Amino acid sequence: EAQVTQNPRYLITVTGKKLTVTCSQNMNHEYMSWYRQDPGLGLRQIYYSMNVEVTDKGDVPEGYKVSRKEKRNFPLILESPSPNQTSLYFCASSLYSGGNQPQHFGDGTRLSIL
Amino acid sequence: TQLLEQSPQFLSIQEGENLTVYCNSSSVFSSLQWYRQEPGEGPVLLVTVVTGGEVKKLKRLTFQFGDARKDSSLHITAAQPGDTGLYLCAGTTSGTYKYIFGTGTRLKVLA
Repeated sequence: EAQVTQNPRYLITVTGKKLTVTCSQNMNHEYMSWYRQDPGLGLRQIYYSMNVEVTDKGDVPEGYKVSRKEKRNFPLILESPSPNQTSLYFCASSLYSGGNQPQHFGDGTRLSIL
Repeated sequence: TQLLEQSPQFLSIQEGENLTVYCNSSSVFSSLQWYRQEPGEGPVLLVTVVTGGEVKKLKRLTFQFGDARKDSSLHITAAQPGDTGLYLCAGTTSGTYKYIFGTGTRLKVLA
């Protein structure tokens, strides 16, 4: 089954403790992206990757890191999480970059930073 | 940062009513997409519009892309409870690979 898989689905942690949210897709998609969703703000793009070893900042990259060492994986790293990073996070992929390509989303990761 | 403003933010209607959701920007978009999101899940693509003035229909849903490619609308005819969800527009502007999402319209259709 074609899918985007995120882990964990839920995480409660404390300020400053490094964490990684994994994202994997099995569709051989080139483009992958991370978003955060906050009430009243819609989805905001954090980082995106157009292919292996090619990443770029979205609209809200501060406090986040990403890497794309393999085509299927695109982990999101919070080196020193803070409470303002408490949010619902989505990973998405599409066949290639371009606004007319459908994005396939994971089911989300709810992060709470205390 | 380019913005996509959606209106209304919330909509609660009775089954059988018609409704329109708007997605507006001051920027020109190379294409616009509409997604629907259910609780506990990621957004799912409904449609992509690419050409200014384009109209696409998906059963009872009609999508339109503005002539100037700065706005889009979603019209639902005879809404049903199964249409309940969060509707999001999204797009990219020419020359960028960033996606911009709208602020969302939360629709509730009452039986």
